[in-house]
Amino acid sequence: QKEVEQNSGPLSVPEGAIASLNCTYSDRGSQSFFWYRQYSGKSPELIMFIYSNGDKEDGRFTAQLNKASQYVSLLIRDSQPSDSATYLCAVEEPGGYQKVTFGTGTKLQVIP
Amino acid sequence: EAGVTQSPTHLIKTRGQQATLRCSPISGHTSVYWYQQALGLGLQFLLWYDEGEERNRGNFPPRFSGRQFPNYSSELNVNALELEDSALYLCASSPPTGGYTFGSGTRLTVV
Repeated sequence: QKEVEQNSGPLSVPEGAIASLNCTYSDRGSQSFFWYRQYSGKSPELIMFIYSNGDKEDGRFTAQLNKASQYVSLLIRDSQPSDSATYLCAVEEPGGYQKVTFGTGTKLQVIP
Repeated sequence: EAGVTQSPTHLIKTRGQQATLRCSPISGHTSVYWYQQALGLGLQFLLWYDEGEERNRGNFPPRFSGRQFPNYSSELNVNALELEDSALYLCASSPPTGGYTFGSGTRLTVV
């Protein structure tokens, strides 16, 4: 059973701080990693994807991947109250079967 | 470009009945992915359809089934509904850049 683990939170950070969200995965062969944001009562929205070891930046978001440690993280700089949501880590299983395993998500609360 | 559309938004069914959920992918996309999000659980992969064929299936019983039509829209059928089938059912397209674009979902309530 492929697993994607996230701390459920809630993670509370003050407005303007850096929020750090972490995720570990079990399948060492995984190559594609995604972060989704899900507001309460809404469907998930893709915010970042990363395929290579290292960092990938997009605006206030940075995704970090360490395949050796089977670890993915998402940093949100200058956190805003509008960033308050549940963040889902997702890992695509290798083999071309298009099956993505999601973590249960980390709830982020940005305190004004 | 229209996104992924799902209908109905809400569906209430009685235990033992059948539910039919519908999805249209982003125009030009040939694949449709179905996921279940039950309360307190992560998104669980249900089915992947591409070019009219079922390509992969998650760990769900056979009473979860579906099909994809020639226009690439898709239907998810859940037979013999059980209370634990109550969940948000999400359909997704996968753009060339990767990841999923989800529809707004169908919230199924089984009473």
